[in-house]
Amino acid sequence: ETGVTQSPTHLIKTRGQQVTLRCSSQSGHNTVSWYQQALGQGPQFIFQYYREEENGRGNFPPRFSGLQFPNYSSELNVNALELDDSALYLCASSPGVSTGELFFGEGSRLTVL
Amino acid sequence: GNSVTQMEGPVTLSEEAFLTINCTYTATGYPSLFWYVQYPGEGLQLLLKATKADDKGSNKGFEATYRKETTSFHLEKGSVQVSDSAVYFCAPPPMDSNYQLIWGAGTKLIIKP
Repeated sequence: ETGVTQSPTHLIKTRGQQVTLRCSSQSGHNTVSWYQQALGQGPQFIFQYYREEENGRGNFPPRFSGLQFPNYSSELNVNALELDDSALYLCASSPGVSTGELFFGEGSRLTVL
Repeated sequence: GNSVTQMEGPVTLSEEAFLTINCTYTATGYPSLFWYVQYPGEGLQLLLKATKADDKGSNKGFEATYRKETTSFHLEKGSVQVSDSAVYFCAPPPMDSNYQLIWGAGTKLIIKP
């Protein structure tokens, strides 16, 4: 059974640039959630995708967008990067939308300069 | 809706000490809770889930007990090890149409040899 994998693990961008983060869900999971975790903080929910549709969103601006593909892998896109976007971005997959049992990847550490 | 209050850290203990971390939330639904652990430099891992009043979840020597009278869950371990040093998060299951988990702020645990 393959777990959740994320890429890249680390990246550095400058303000105003755009970034795409990728996530492969665990086998058999049709739901992917994305979280932002600032240093020393808990995860903040960005959005969730279920069967290629966004079905839940946290308090993040529209420049945070995503996709889910037919194989249930997912992308997180962030446009017009700001310094405060520097964080660990976590992807989690689950076998359904309403379960609290999430399987996380190792995260993508984004630094915005 | 739900709000989560988690015991503030850091909690510093000596090896083999007894551990208790508290998590309280105002539930609008059936009481259950997930505990996640984040080891340094890693993503989150599901540690255990506790469901129903007086029903303990358990894993890796950790147990979670629900106290109905205070609507609180307690994560406990009888004898901690240095390898248990991590940040522990609690989260009730999703209860709203946004399907997001409401996370506690996390409790950093430091175990000294």
